Amino acid sequence: DAKTTQPPSMDCAEGRAANLPCNHSTISGNEYVYWYRQIHSQGPQYIIHGLKNNETNEMASLIITEDRKSSTLILPHATLRDTAVYYCIVRVLDGNNRKLIWGLGTSLAVNP
Amino acid sequence: GAVVSQHPSWVICKSGTSVKIECRSLDFQATTMFWYRQFPKQSLMLMATSNEGSKATYEQGVEKDKFLINHASLTLSTLTVTSAHPEDSSFYICSAGGQMNTEAFFGQGTRLTVV
Repeated sequence: DAKTTQPPSMDCAEGRAANLPCNHSTISGNEYVYWYRQIHSQGPQYIIHGLKNNETNEMASLIITEDRKSSTLILPHATLRDTAVYYCIVRVLDGNNRKLIWGLGTSLAVNP
Repeated sequence: GAVVSQHPSWVICKSGTSVKIECRSLDFQATTMFWYRQFPKQSLMLMATSNEGSKATYEQGVEKDKFLINHASLTLSTLTVTSAHPEDSSFYICSAGGQMNTEAFFGQGTRLTVV
């Protein structure tokens, strides 16, 4: 089972910041939080990941709470091309392999 | 970022036939690859973990004799859907990388339709 919960859908106006929340209250101390997005009928695209500290790259920012029980993905200036399903994932260690267990994600609609 | 390529992008096959899907890591070596299946409006479901040079590890409920996985080199894993049936119609996706604490990269997916 996925270790994360996300709202099923969100709307955002083009040009505004999109803030996508994620709860992961059962996360373990050494488990990373990953964000991917999937545009219809394509493979998932990596966005960002983090452990404790906030992270930023050219696509987005990731804000992780101090207790690590939740995080927020921020797309600073959403465009129509950012319309996709966004997945927040806690990667778990299963034997020698690190697995991504996917939840249902948040369907983000960016509106003109 | 690293590139993972899947082939074919889509395939239509007759019921009872077998279909092979290839997953290649183009610019890095992948000792581990993952195979997922995604039904419409659902999330990705991990089917199996493919390890180079050894047998794949299947998730609970996935038939290893029906979904044959071969990871013969550090850049290629294949998934063969044997004796395909219409209920096997789905979007199959592979990924590579993501070990240690790096990101995993995904192929573009293969749309399988069994008629």
